[in-house]
Amino acid sequence: DSGVTQTPKHLITATGQRVTLRCSPRSGDLSVYWYQQSLDQGLQFLIQYYNGEERAKGNILERFSAQQFPDLHSELNLSSLELGDSALYFCASSTLQGNGNTIYFGEGSWLTVV
Amino acid sequence: GESVGLHLPTLSVQEGDNSIINCAYSNSASDYFIWYKQESGKGPQFIIDIRSNMDKRQGQRVTVLLNKTVKHLSLQIAATQPGDSAVYFCAENTSGYSTLTFGKGTMLLVSP
Repeated sequence: DSGVTQTPKHLITATGQRVTLRCSPRSGDLSVYWYQQSLDQGLQFLIQYYNGEERAKGNILERFSAQQFPDLHSELNLSSLELGDSALYFCASSTLQGNGNTIYFGEGSWLTVV
Repeated sequence: GESVGLHLPTLSVQEGDNSIINCAYSNSASDYFIWYKQESGKGPQFIIDIRSNMDKRQGQRVTVLLNKTVKHLSLQIAATQPGDSAVYFCAENTSGYSTLTFGKGTMLLVSP
């Protein structure tokens, strides 16, 4: 158990809908990361927050957004969902900003868009 | 853009053998590397890391070797067990950038 908690574990929704994935980082970790894992793209970095502020942005679509709250939990919002958005979405956390600091992953949220 | 890649997509070994999983990286500025293990239906699990000022680091049954000259990283698993069967990812990090770049992964299959 990495200490990173993600909900829900599984989610099935229709195209065009909007979902929110939730993440609680490890106790004491200030940095939260979101990754998307699909069969053809592997693990792709989406976005990082550090102590409530956006720190880095990767291959995140404009239909997706995230935030980190004062209690350090984070949410990833996916809107206008398409079939291609079906994937595993991982949250990860680290103590500091991530430069050379170990990043621990949660168990993921499996999203299926039908 | 630069990326981390793996030579072997699938590695099949017998229980008790030693396994070696290789990874090539292209960003010469990368200075921190991590190996993750991902079992089916689970998130990537940290195995071992190494910084660029080291050539070798050992953990419990695992050793990571770093060759900066040829930009190559390897993970050695001693006395491989069926429970080691998983996909293994190498990931790189560059100072000043807080994100990890992952390779495509290698599937390790251990036969009893």
